[in-house]
Formats: sequence, C-alpha cells, structure tokens
Amino acid sequence: RKEVEQDPGPFNVPEGATVAFNCTYSNSASQSFFWYRQDCRKEPKLLMSVYSSGNEDGRFTAQLNRASQYISLLIRDSKLSDSATYLCVVPVMDSNYQLIWGAGTKLIIKP
Amino acid sequence: NAGVTQTPKFQVLKTGQSMTLQCAQDMNHEYMSWYRQDPGMGLRLIHYSVGAGITDQGEVPNGYNVSRSTTEDFPLRLLSAAPSQTSVYFCASSYSSGLVNTGELFFGEGSRLTVL
Repeated sequence: RKEVEQDPGPFNVPEGATVAFNCTYSNSASQSFFWYRQDCRKEPKLLMSVYSSGNEDGRFTAQLNRASQYISLLIRDSKLSDSATYLCVVPVMDSNYQLIWGAGTKLIIKP
Repeated sequence: NAGVTQTPKFQVLKTGQSMTLQCAQDMNHEYMSWYRQDPGMGLRLIHYSVGAGITDQGEVPNGYNVSRSTTEDFPLRLLSAAPSQTSVYFCASSYSSGLVNTGELFFGEGSRLTVL
C-alpha cells in the first residue's frame, strides 16, 4: 500500500456545487497534515493545514480522521478558479524535515 | 522579493551528459530541498538541506548531488543523465526546519528536464 493515496479523479463539478475528496495515509503520528494546490504546469502552493480539530478557511474545510487514517477537503460554492490538482501531504514519521506527497486529485469546475 | 528562483526552466540532455539545476532563494530560509514530479506519482524528495554546509539524502538521491555553500543557493547536479531522470524538478524552501509543524514550502516554478 502506498503511504499516501488519493483518488486521481478528475472530479468534474458544476460551478457552485460542493465537492469533497479524501486522502488516506499510513504510518504517521503527526499532529498536522497539509493540502497543497497545484495549477496546471505550475508549482504547488500551500492551501491549508489540517490539525486534529480540523481547519476551515472560507469555502474550504479540512478534517482529519486519525482512527481511519484519512484527511478530507471540502470545497463549498465552488468557483471556476478552484480548478486545479489538490495534493495531500503527510509528514514522515520520526523526521522533522521530510514530507510524503500524494499524487493529487484533479478537480475541474464547469460553468 | 523574488522568492525561489530556478534555472533553467527547460533543458534537453543526451544520456550520459551532466548538468546543474540552479536554485536560489532570497527569503533567508534555513531549509531547502529538491523534488522531482513524475506523472501519476507524488512529489519525491531527492535531497534536502537544513542550513549552509548541511545536506542529506531524501527518498530518491541516486544519480544526483547537492551542496549548500551559502544560505541562498542549493544547486542540484545530475552526474550522468539517464532517461529515467526525465522529470519536472522543483526546488523548495522553508523558513522553519520543522516542517511537521508548519508544512509550508515555497516552490520555484520548476525545471522540465528531458533526457534522450
């Protein structure tokens, strides 16, 4: 099993809809996880961090389910500009300096 | 601030050639790293550095060398290019060496390398 797994999609979603996708992980006792956003042929950029208590930033909500070992990202009232690939990132156990990256979930928002 | 600057943006090499990908950051970040990104796979860490004079191997270090003589620069050297090294390479830096806490990496725009 891969250490970090994501549904590659693409998720085709109409503008204004709510969309959610998950990321499953193994072997991490970290207290925080991360979602990055990557536009086509661009560099990744941090979208938000995910803590045990979850995190909300405007239309974006991230949750952590430690018992089932997954994190989720919910996007409400989706915009055309939300079209991107969303990367799940998990810290490596016993390391302060290394992260494991999922392959990403591609999201396409349609007008 | 320019942030993280990578050069070149595109490069084509022949098998066996060597080259250096340059990375510079002007944010006084302690942590710098090199990743490669291949289709259908997550970013994979090649090498990283937590400060000038300190480097360490990541997940896929074979075929690559790095050095960190200054805080600003972290070049990646391909010793003898192979087709398996065809990829998009990203340099990334972070203010904090404790990525497990902040997770925020600042990336360069990427370097697309093709090895024939």
